[in-house]
Amino acid sequence: QKEVEQNSGPLSVPEGAIASLNCTYSDRVSQSFFWYRQYSGKSPELIMSIYSNGDKEDGRFTAQLNKASQYVSLLIRDSQPSDSATYLCAVPGREYGNKLVFGAGTILRVKS
Amino acid sequence: GAVVSQHPSRVICKSGTSVKIECRSLDFQATTMFWYRQFPKKSLMLMATSNEGSKATYEQGVEKDKFLINHASLTLSTLTVTSAHPEDSSFYICSAKTWRSYNEQFFGPGTRLTVL
Repeated sequence: QKEVEQNSGPLSVPEGAIASLNCTYSDRVSQSFFWYRQYSGKSPELIMSIYSNGDKEDGRFTAQLNKASQYVSLLIRDSQPSDSATYLCAVPGREYGNKLVFGAGTILRVKS
Repeated sequence: GAVVSQHPSRVICKSGTSVKIECRSLDFQATTMFWYRQFPKKSLMLMATSNEGSKATYEQGVEKDKFLINHASLTLSTLTVTSAHPEDSSFYICSAKTWRSYNEQFFGPGTRLTVL
């Protein structure tokens, strides 16, 4: 089982809809979770961090964490074509240095 | 805050030459910096982790004599690709974290290396 799993997509949603991106992780003791957005040909950009169970909202983005189910999701409300990108879920690994373990990413396409 | 820069953004070199890529944290002190490479349409691959003033820790399968990493200060890390070959052509990205960030990493814009 991979440490961090995401559906590779592509996930296609119409403009204005809610995009729901999901991620599961295998390490039960993980305490911090990150969502990065990566446009084609660019480097990843941190868009959300979440540490506690429940929801965390930031503008059109909401991260949801359920540690019991080892599940973290990202909701994008009022999706825009500019949201089209690959979304990477990341969880710190257990090894010294706390390097991040990334999922393979979900490609999101928002169609106008 | 948390801005990371990389230089150069793009480099083309001949096979056999060495290329140095700089990664700088502009508005914070980076206790740890990471180097990644990414091939087109592929996932990020961590190459190494470096802490200021100490030797880098390389991931399994990454040749440390080929990819030299120096983390000379809390704001600068360099990656030197020695004797580059066409198969080293890739997108190299650095990231940095501070003692204050709870494992968050902030990425530089990346360097696209093409070896002819």
